[in-house]
Amino acid sequence: KQEVTQIPAALSVPEGENLVLNCSFTDSAIYNLQWFRQDPGKGLTSLLLIQSSQREQTSGRLNASLDKSSGRSTLYIAASQPGDSATYLCAVNYNNNDMRFGAGTRLTVKP
Amino acid sequence: DTGVSQNPRHKITKRGQNVTFRCDPISEHNRLYWYRQTLGQGPEFLTYFQNEAQLEKSRLLSDRFSAERPKGSFSTLEIQRTEQGDSAMYLCASSSDRDQETQYFGPGTRLLVL
Repeated sequence: KQEVTQIPAALSVPEGENLVLNCSFTDSAIYNLQWFRQDPGKGLTSLLLIQSSQREQTSGRLNASLDKSSGRSTLYIAASQPGDSATYLCAVNYNNNDMRFGAGTRLTVKP
Repeated sequence: DTGVSQNPRHKITKRGQNVTFRCDPISEHNRLYWYRQTLGQGPEFLTYFQNEAQLEKSRLLSDRFSAERPKGSFSTLEIQRTEQGDSAMYLCASSSDRDQETQYFGPGTRLLVL
């Protein structure tokens, strides 16, 4: 069964801290992996996409890594800001049309 | 670029009623996806269209659910004889053949079945 798990479910940090969100998946035969941001009551915004052949991707203060063999990905957020408060979703794409999402990590960055 | 739009944004209905949601993808995108998201969970794939053809359907899409994309542009998702368990956010996404890996999501339609 292709399951995606995200830990922790919720995280609260003071502004300025660096933090790591974790994603694990049971089937390593992935096509790619994406990290999304979702604000309350809103749709999803793609943050980073890592192809199965890649090890990491960076965008601004965000860095995502992928270890396919161990079935893990991390999203690193540097110098967190209150505007980073949102739910972060990890999605594993198995055949380019079958995207499996984790339940998300709800991040709160306190000023 | 108006992005992906969904209507209505919210829908409250009584159990047993039929509801229909609409999704307008980004204009040049020929791929369209429907997802369902319940509270505290990630989205779950429901179905996928390439142009007007419905190419994949999840087992989550029971026979009370039907999706159409008659002209390969907008899509509708209908739920017949709604049940309380259908209460969820219904998300639509679209992508292009040129960049099919990047799905652009709409704001969703939140359904509450009383």
